[in-house]
Amino acid sequence: NAGVTQTPKFRILKIGQSMTLQCTQDMNHNYMYWYRQDPGMGLKLIYYSVGAGITDKGEVPNGYNVSRSTTEDFPLRLELAAPSQTSVYFCASSRRGATNEKLFFGSGTQLSVL
Amino acid sequence: ILNVEQSPQSLHVQEGDSTNFTCSFPSSNFYALHWYRWETAKSPEALFVMTLNGDEKKKGRISATLNTKEGYSYLYIKGSQPEDSATYLCALSYNTDKLIFGTGTRLQVFP
Repeated sequence: NAGVTQTPKFRILKIGQSMTLQCTQDMNHNYMYWYRQDPGMGLKLIYYSVGAGITDKGEVPNGYNVSRSTTEDFPLRLELAAPSQTSVYFCASSRRGATNEKLFFGSGTQLSVL
Repeated sequence: ILNVEQSPQSLHVQEGDSTNFTCSFPSSNFYALHWYRWETAKSPEALFVMTLNGDEKKKGRISATLNTKEGYSYLYIKGSQPEDSATYLCALSYNTDKLIFGTGTRLQVFP
């Protein structure tokens, strides 16, 4: 089973460039999440989605955009990359939210903005 | 902003020692408490999802308890092994959609 797949695994961007981090899941999960992990700060929620066509902001949404056109895919877009966006990004999914359901995580994307 | 606190920040124990760490959270607006195990260079994996006051969960040598009235959860590891070395994350669901994570407890078990 593939589970949650993230691409790319590593990327270096120049300041001001844009890119899309891809996330896809094959478990037919309704809920999908984007987190970033900064040293000593734990995982911070960027955006999440409760189903196709529905997205909402998390704790740290500034500088990012998302879309959810299908159940499987939840891409994260950086429009104007800044050094503050250097981080490890994790996509996750769950069947019915976070009340009784665990999250399944992808393997992460390490992004450096120079 | 909801704050989920974990202590200690890091822990070093000898193989065979038992250990425990704490997750503290505001006791109001509580839905569920999650524990995840995160090994270096891997992605977090779920250990437990707990919802009821007094709930206890066990998985092998790892167990967890939950006190929703006073806002804390304990994670216990009995007879620590080097393969238990990881960061243990606590996360709180304060509505049905979002999960807010603590900063984690980094455990190192020395042979």
